[in-house]
Amino acid sequence: EPEVTQTPSHQVTQMGQEVILRCVPISNHLYFYWYRQILGQKVEFLVSFYNNEISEKSEIFDDQFSVERPDGSNFTLKIRSTKLEDSAMYFCASRFSLAGSKYFGAGTRLSVL
Amino acid sequence: KQEVTQIPAALSVPEGENLVLNCSFTDSAIYNLQWFRQDPGKGLTSLLLIQSSQREQTSGRLNASLDKSSGRSTLYIAASQPGDSATYLCAAQETSGSRLTFGEGTQLTVNP
Repeated sequence: EPEVTQTPSHQVTQMGQEVILRCVPISNHLYFYWYRQILGQKVEFLVSFYNNEISEKSEIFDDQFSVERPDGSNFTLKIRSTKLEDSAMYFCASRFSLAGSKYFGAGTRLSVL
Repeated sequence: KQEVTQIPAALSVPEGENLVLNCSFTDSAIYNLQWFRQDPGKGLTSLLLIQSSQREQTSGRLNASLDKSSGRSTLYIAASQPGDSATYLCAAQETSGSRLTFGEGTQLTVNP
C-alpha cells in the first residue's frame, strides 16, 4: 500500500542551526501538508501546499519556516534558525483531493539542544 | 476558531468489550471529520473519514458517526482487542480551508 515517507526519523540539532525535514508524499497526491506535535500536546497544522504554492498557513508558520517541492517527488520543510521550542514531532501528510483522507507519514522527531 | 475536544482522555477496558470514544467540535460548518490511530512515538494512521453529508462510516469492527447539528462524532469499537490499544484522535476539516483541527486524543488500553 502506498505510504508517505519521512526522513530522517530523528534529527538532533543545535539552537540556531538550519534543518531540513524531508517527505516523499504518495505519488498521485496533489495536496501536501506539514503538521507538528509538541510532546504531550495536540497535533497542530503548520502549512498546506498545492500547485507549487502555499495555500494556507497557521500562525506558527512564521518567516523562520519555508516549504518547497524541489522535484516531482520530494516535499521539504526548512526551519532557518531553530529554537528550543521547535522541538517536536513533525508530520508530513498528503491527499489526492480536498474531500479525501489525509495520509500521514511516521514523523520526524526534531530535538533542538 | 474551531475547537475539537475528546472525552475521555484515557480509557481502560477488558478485552472483548464494546466501547465508544467521543469527539465534539465547536463549529458545525465542517467539511469532513477524520478519525486516526496513533501508536506511541509513531505517525497517524487514518481509520475513517466521514463527509459532512454522511451520518456514519464503517470499517470492520469500527463505526464512526457524525452529528453536525450537535457538533459531535463518536467512534464505536466492537469486541475490543489488546491490539486496539493506542491513542485515538479525531480531526475536523473546516469548510473554508484544508487544515485539520485535532482533538487531544483518547488513550485506549485494552487489557487481556
